Amino acid sequence: QQQVKQSPQSLIVQKGGIPIINCAYENTAFDYFPWYQQFPGKGPALLIAIRPDVSEKKEGRFTISFNKSAKQFSLHIMDSQPGDSATYFCAASRRSNDYKLSFGAGTTVTVRA
Amino acid sequence: DGGITQSPKYLFRKEGQNVTLSCEQNLNHDAMYWYRQDPGQGLRLIYYSQIVNDFQKGDIAEGYSVSREKKESFPLTVTSAQKNPTAFYLCASSIILGTGELFFGEGSRLTVL
Repeated sequence: QQQVKQSPQSLIVQKGGIPIINCAYENTAFDYFPWYQQFPGKGPALLIAIRPDVSEKKEGRFTISFNKSAKQFSLHIMDSQPGDSATYFCAASRRSNDYKLSFGAGTTVTVRA
Repeated sequence: DGGITQSPKYLFRKEGQNVTLSCEQNLNHDAMYWYRQDPGQGLRLIYYSQIVNDFQKGDIAEGYSVSREKKESFPLTVTSAQKNPTAFYLCASSIILGTGELFFGEGSRLTVL
């Protein structure tokens, strides 16, 4: 049973569009929420991460929005580029479980030129 | 360049055979992990190790075994007891257990014929 539910499974946007990926969780003990980016044939790489005391975090064109009461968080890619085409995974972890990450199922984003 | 090296990149195995996947890191990280990636399921934790000569089962350890005799190395053996071994296997490391930031290798794709 997946502890972090991610949607959509895939999405396609035009260059300059804003793909949005959503994740939801049930366990309120989660206290660290990273996003990983994976290009085909490669391992994932940390993109951006947030803790629940912050409602939004930006790094370049990537923004995480966090809604603690709704137990949801999302990734927005502003001014998306074809080079952003990849699979994105949200994840969550908690101190009481050695901070082992529980990953969402992944979203494949395609940015058309 | 520091990083994680996984080998082989592609591996074919006959049913009933054990196979060992190699993972070496030169990042001087204490913690190492093995994940399995299947389409639509995200990443699932097989085993992890906090220090040399110590390792713990993850969520899907059945049919797998590991060893951690050296800090740099964390090989994974997929045994014949693993019922559905065809998958993409990812090795990762972190500075210490629980930092949340994982550094991944490029993966090994195992196909059972």
